[in-house]
Amino acid sequence: DAGVIQSPRHEVTEMGQEVTLRCKPISGHNSLFWYRQTMMRGLELLIYFNNNVPIDDSGMPEDRFSAKMPNASFSTLKIQPSEPRDSAVYFCASTLIGNLPLEQYFGPGTRLTVT
Amino acid sequence: GENVEQHPSTLSVQEGDSAVIKCTYSDSASNYFPWYKQELGKRPQLIIDIRSNVGEKKDQRIAVTLNKTAKHFSLHITETQPEDSAVYFCAAKGGGADGLTFGKGTHLIIQP
Repeated sequence: DAGVIQSPRHEVTEMGQEVTLRCKPISGHNSLFWYRQTMMRGLELLIYFNNNVPIDDSGMPEDRFSAKMPNASFSTLKIQPSEPRDSAVYFCASTLIGNLPLEQYFGPGTRLTVT
Repeated sequence: GENVEQHPSTLSVQEGDSAVIKCTYSDSASNYFPWYKQELGKRPQLIIDIRSNVGEKKDQRIAVTLNKTAKHFSLHITETQPEDSAVYFCAAKGGGADGLTFGKGTHLIIQP
């Protein structure tokens, strides 16, 4: 298995531009999580999906952020318009939710720089 | 929601000595406590986890203990080696949620 796949690995964009981050979870996993990592705030949960349905988006910082999961093998996180304070590493993770909590597998991350 | 505190933020130990990292959590319904290791520029990777029905778990040089009454859990690394140098994160999964709340991380430095 290739693990969780994220693209792009690096993104540099100018303030005001739209940014789209992509994630392909591990095949067979039914839950997908988007996290953001910064030096100041650490690792923060932004939103997660169970069976393609958004369950908790309370971590999404503001309306500029949106996420979708149109099918079990693909999710996007969009920032529109982007701002310099959005610069961070964005991780996608997936797991199989069942009776017992199981390991969340992280993707390699997308390093976003907004100038 | 859940709140996780992690200490210390930096820990320097001599190679071969033990290292202990401590975390506290706020949600008494939390039932899953993983520990992740993150090397510079890499993704977080699970090294050990413990569920709320267990008080201790060990895997070779790594062990985790959980005190549900006090709402704290700890990571113990024995016979530390240079490759143990990394940032370690504790996390907790709340009883009513599937996402993880992470501590701020501990930068573990192994001195030769």
